[in-house]
Amino acid sequence: KNQVEQSPQSLIILEGKNCTLQCNYTVSPFSNLRWYKQDTGRGPVSLTIMTFSENTKSNGRYTATLDADTKQSSLHITASQLSDSASYICVVSPLSGNTPLVFGKGTRLSVIA
Amino acid sequence: DAGVIQSPRHEVTEMGQEVTLRCKPISGHDYLFWYRQTMMRGLELLIYFNNNVPIDDSGMPEDRFSAKMPNASFSTLKIQPSEPRDSAVYFCASSQAQLNEKLFFGSGTQLSVL
Repeated sequence: KNQVEQSPQSLIILEGKNCTLQCNYTVSPFSNLRWYKQDTGRGPVSLTIMTFSENTKSNGRYTATLDADTKQSSLHITASQLSDSASYICVVSPLSGNTPLVFGKGTRLSVIA
Repeated sequence: DAGVIQSPRHEVTEMGQEVTLRCKPISGHDYLFWYRQTMMRGLELLIYFNNNVPIDDSGMPEDRFSAKMPNASFSTLKIQPSEPRDSAVYFCASSQAQLNEKLFFGSGTQLSVL
């Protein structure tokens, strides 16, 4: 069964600190993996996309990594800001064109002053 | 473009009542999805449409749930009768030309069934 597991479930960090969120998946084969950011009371918004051949991709203070061999991805946030407080959802796209996306349950990040 | 528009933002109703959630996808997007989000289960796909045609409704929990897409710019998700366990946030999302492209989500409808 296609699954995406994220850890930790929740995380509290001080403003200015770094953090890393983890995503393990069983979807195989897959075409891409996305990280979405979901602010409270809003819908998720795509942050990054990585194909199976990519190892690292950055978007400002966000850096995503992918290890297709171990089926693991991480999202690293550098110099966190209060506005980074949100849920971060890992989403894997199966290679099969008619199989919908597989979502993780997300990591709830709280950045405090 | 205004993005995906959902209404209402909040809905509070009593058990047994009919609830209708509405969605306007981004113009030009071929796919429309309805998701339900809870703390316990995360985002769950309920149903999706391609060019207004329902493709996969296997995620619809019960016959009490139904969805329609009468045209490319409008979709509804109906629950009749509603039950307290239906309380959740319901999201509509659309994507452009392929099933697993980037999704654009609306702001969701927070449903509370008392």
